[in-house]
This record gives sequence, structure tokens and C-alpha cells, in this order.
Amino acid sequence: NAGVTQTPKFQVLKTGQSMTLQCAQDMNHNSMYWYRQDPGMGLRLIYYSASEGTTDKGEVPNGYNVSRLNKREFSLRLESAAPSQTSVYFCASSPVTSTDTQYFGPGTRLTVL
Amino acid sequence: QQQVKQSPQSLIVQKGGISIINCAYENTAFDYFPWYQQFPGKGPALLIAIRPDVSEKKEGRFTISFNKSAKQFSLHIMDSQPGDSATYFCAASMRSGGYQKVTFGTGTKLQVIP
Repeated sequence: NAGVTQTPKFQVLKTGQSMTLQCAQDMNHNSMYWYRQDPGMGLRLIYYSASEGTTDKGEVPNGYNVSRLNKREFSLRLESAAPSQTSVYFCASSPVTSTDTQYFGPGTRLTVL
Repeated sequence: QQQVKQSPQSLIVQKGGISIINCAYENTAFDYFPWYQQFPGKGPALLIAIRPDVSEKKEGRFTISFNKSAKQFSLHIMDSQPGDSATYFCAASMRSGGYQKVTFGTGTKLQVIP
């Protein structure tokens, strides 16, 4: 039982390049989330998927797109990377009860030059 | 708009001492208040959580105190150990549009020195 896995762990991009961050969970959770973590800002929600087949914007969605490929997988795409997207990205998943614990992956550290 | 304010930003505590981290929230619709612990290079992990109908919850050396009228809650780490050195995030959660909307504080970096 691997929990939440993310690939890659590290990535360096040039401004304008595109990339996709991959996330998968093996806990049969319905909801999945993408956060970014910046110093002094805590964790901010980019996009979420309440259930398979649905996705919605979070607090900071500009410059990102997501795909809920199936119940297990939720990817985050940067179409044209900008230096402001330099951050650590975390994927998380949770079941559906009102007191859900969110389970986080190990993160992807992205640098945009 | 930051709905959960966390302080202090950093904290240094002697081994065996008490670490205290405070949080305040604004939205009374929040109905679940978890604390997450994050070690360097790792994702956050749930440490302890409380519902607003309870004033205190204790799990081992970790205690949450909750003051609903003041809209404040805090984490107390008793007998702090070097292994507790990590970043701690308070959070406030509610159900919104079929998903769990979690608002995180900005984090407190705790260092426990021997």
C-alpha cells in the first residue's frame, strides 16, 4: 500500500515550457487535490476533484489545468511555465466523510528559470 | 484572504519544554480543525484533529485546546523532543460543494534543541 505517489520528485523548466505532474493513490479515495506550498504562504489549493469525472478550481488555478484520469490518478499540467510557478507541489487524497483526513504525497519541487 | 492565522512563524524550544502554537479562524462554518506535521522533504501528515463541540483533545504528548467563542485553537506539545522538530500547520475544514475544503495556516517551524 503505497498511499499517494507523485512523479517527478524534482524538475527544472525554462520559462514557457510545459510539463505534467503525475499523482496516483491506491486508497480508493474519491477526492483528490493539488496544492502548492510557498514559504510563508502555507498550502494553497490549485484544483480539486471531488469525485471521478469532476474537477473544479481552487484558490490559485491560473496557469494550471488538471485531468482526473480515473479514480486513482489526478494530473496537473503547466502549459507555459512561469517563474511565479516555482514552488513545491503536493497532491492529496481523501475519502468522503465530513472529518476526512487528507493524505499527502511526497511532493514535486519545481523550479522555473 | 487568509482565513486561518497562525503564530508564531518559528519557535525554538528546549528539550523537555512545552511548545505552543496558536491559530485563529474567521469563518464559523468550519467544522473540523486538524493539525498537520511536516518533516523536511516530506508531505504533511495528520497529527491530531478536533471538532468544535469539544474544548480539548489529547493524544499522547500532543493536545489541542479549542475556544469556539474566541474562534481560536492551539497545539501544545508537552515534553518536546528533538524528533518533534518539524513544520506544523493548523487547518480549518468544512464540506463545500461535495468536497472537503481545507484552509491551512502559514505554518510554524519548530526546532527542539537538546
